[in-house]
Amino acid sequence: NAGVTQTPKFQVLKTGQSMTLQCAQDMNHEYMSWYRQDPGMGLRLIHYSVGAGITDQGEVPNGYNVSRSTTEDFPLRLLSAAPSQTSVYFCASTQDVVLFGWYTFGSGTRLTVV
Amino acid sequence: TQLLEQSPQFLSIQEGENLTVYCNSSSVFSSLQWYRQEPGEGPVLLVTVVTGGEVKKLKRLTFQFGDARKDSSLHITAAQPGDTGLYLCAGVIYITPTSGTYKYIFGTGTRLKVLA
Repeated sequence: NAGVTQTPKFQVLKTGQSMTLQCAQDMNHEYMSWYRQDPGMGLRLIHYSVGAGITDQGEVPNGYNVSRSTTEDFPLRLLSAAPSQTSVYFCASTQDVVLFGWYTFGSGTRLTVV
Repeated sequence: TQLLEQSPQFLSIQEGENLTVYCNSSSVFSSLQWYRQEPGEGPVLLVTVVTGGEVKKLKRLTFQFGDARKDSSLHITAAQPGDTGLYLCAGVIYITPTSGTYKYIFGTGTRLKVLA
């Protein structure tokens, strides 16, 4: 089925470790975003991309890096994991959020940093 | 700061009851969406509304967009246990309309539990 695929589903890291959360979409969407979801905080935008080679920061970018070398892939890198980064991470994509107004989400990665 | 507030935050009802969830903002939306999120999954789009005063129906769910495009409501008739989940409103607001700078924001969510 077409959609947004995130891996891994679950991950436990030790403080200071680095890792990459993978995100791939097969809908040829230009816009891709990473969100984190925390209890009582809702969905907060980490980084986003409006096309291959173009990325920008969202509202909570510190401690994360992204790159967009292809239309399909948008990995999120945690540089040095901290307990505050314990969260559920969602990747989402849309062809054009202004024109179409909605995102397709992946099923999420639950990250625990100990 | 553009906020999109939802109420109530939590709702626990019996099967067969009706309910309404509200989504309010001080900003004007060019479009507004409702999503449902089940445990362990990402949000899934239910509906998008664009025109002020618009009403859309999806089986037992009725969505309304306010005339001024600043608020929306979701009404569920005869709720069923399968309606259980987190309901999120979200939408596109323009930060600076002349430059086309926009922001996509999410509401705080309403967690619904329907008891059999």
